[in-house]
Amino acid sequence: KAGVTQTPRYLIKTRGQQVTLSCSPISGHRSVSWYQQTPGQGLQFLFEYFSETQRNKGNFPGRFSGRQFSNSRSEMNVSTLELGDSALYLCASRESGAITDTQYFGPGTRLTVL
Amino acid sequence: GNSVTQMEGPVTLSEEAFLTINCTYTATGYPSLFWYVQYPGEGLQLLLKATKADDKGSNKGFEATYRKETTSFHLEKGSVQVSDSAVYFCALRGGGGSARQLTFGSGTQLTVLP
Repeated sequence: KAGVTQTPRYLIKTRGQQVTLSCSPISGHRSVSWYQQTPGQGLQFLFEYFSETQRNKGNFPGRFSGRQFSNSRSEMNVSTLELGDSALYLCASRESGAITDTQYFGPGTRLTVL
Repeated sequence: GNSVTQMEGPVTLSEEAFLTINCTYTATGYPSLFWYVQYPGEGLQLLLKATKADDKGSNKGFEATYRKETTSFHLEKGSVQVSDSAVYFCALRGGGGSARQLTFGSGTQLTVLP
């Protein structure tokens, strides 16, 4: 099976712009989670979608939003970008969402905000 | 809430040396425990996992045992190779609050010298 894919791999934006990142999960996986990775804060959970519904949300401002489509592909959007949003954004998928399920991560999208 | 504390890095070892990376956690109930590895410029790869007390996860010569009594999940490898150089993350999911997202430690950078 193909792994989790994320597009684009790299993005450069300026403050105040908005950005949309895309994630395609492993075939058959219905749960998609997003994480932000920065040198200062480490890996932080953004949100999880399961069957097109947001099931869980981390402690991020409302500028961060996401959605999931019927084919399980997911997008996350960040509006009014700030310098501190520069990070590696990782998407992870798992089959059903059970606690013991393994999450498989994509390669990430590196966002740089200037 | 859940939390994971990892041994501070960076760790530098010579090839064939013994590796231990300490990981302790705070969670109620019985979370699932994971070790992920991140190679430069890549996303996270699952290295091993354990879903109940006294389980031992193992993969590619790495091992970790789920110790409920000491709330630990230390990563070990008997003989490291240069190719093991990467950042290692300990993580948990679940527990009494049934938190669905992964909670990560801060990561430990490992460099193996030839």
